[in-house]
Amino acid sequence: TQLLEQSPQFLSIQEGENLTVYCNSSSVFSSLQWYRQEPGEGPVLLVTVVTGGEVKKLKRLTFQFGDARKDSSLHITAAQPGDTGLYLCAGVGGTSYGKLTFGQGTILTVHP
Amino acid sequence: NAGVMQNPRHLVRRRGQEARLRCSPMKGHSHVYWYRQLPEEGLKFMVYLQKENIIDESGMPKERFSAEFPKEGPSILRIQQVVRGDSAAYFCASSPGRQDTQYFGPGTRLTVL
Repeated sequence: TQLLEQSPQFLSIQEGENLTVYCNSSSVFSSLQWYRQEPGEGPVLLVTVVTGGEVKKLKRLTFQFGDARKDSSLHITAAQPGDTGLYLCAGVGGTSYGKLTFGQGTILTVHP
Repeated sequence: NAGVMQNPRHLVRRRGQEARLRCSPMKGHSHVYWYRQLPEEGLKFMVYLQKENIIDESGMPKERFSAEFPKEGPSILRIQQVVRGDSAAYFCASSPGRQDTQYFGPGTRLTVL
C-alpha cells in the first residue's frame, strides 16, 4: 500500500510570513500533484511535477519534486489571507496505476 | 465546456436508507474515479471505472457499496443501508485517459442521521 505523509497538518501564520509544506513517501511515484481545496468545493489542481529534482513556480508558490521521486514540498513566500485553504499532495502512478494517493492535507490559515 | 458535475450537492439520509450519488464526467472523458473525504482529512480512493467496466475497486468497502458507469448516463455510487459512519463528502473525478489529469467535481456531502 502506498502512503503519503503530509506535514504539518495545521499551519496558522501571519500575513507576509513564509511557509513550507512537506509530502513524503517510501514509495516512488511517476509524478506528484498539489491541489488546493476551498470549503464546500472539490480539489483544484495547482501543479504536477514529473521529473526528479524538478522545481516549478506559480507566482509566490514554489513546488519541488525530490530527486528520488518519493517526496515533494510546497513553499509559499509572503503568504496572503487569500492563500488560506486546504492543500493536498497526491501521488500518481507507482503501484497505484490510475488512482491518486492523497496525503492527509494541510489546513493553512493566514491571518491579516 | 462544463466541468465534472455531481448531484445532489447535499444529501440527508436516515440510517438504513439508500443513498445514490451521481457523477457526470467532463465531455470526452471516459474514466471516472470516486473518492471519499472525511472532515479535515485527505481524499481516499474508492473505485475507478471506465465505461461499463470496473477497473479498480480496491478502496470500496466490501459490503453495502457499489458503483457503475453505464454506456449511457452518469456514473452512480450507491450506498445501501447507510450508517452514521458513511457521513462524508464524496468526490468524483474524470479524465480522458488512464494516466491523464483528473478533474474533480464539487462533491456530494452525505449526512446520515
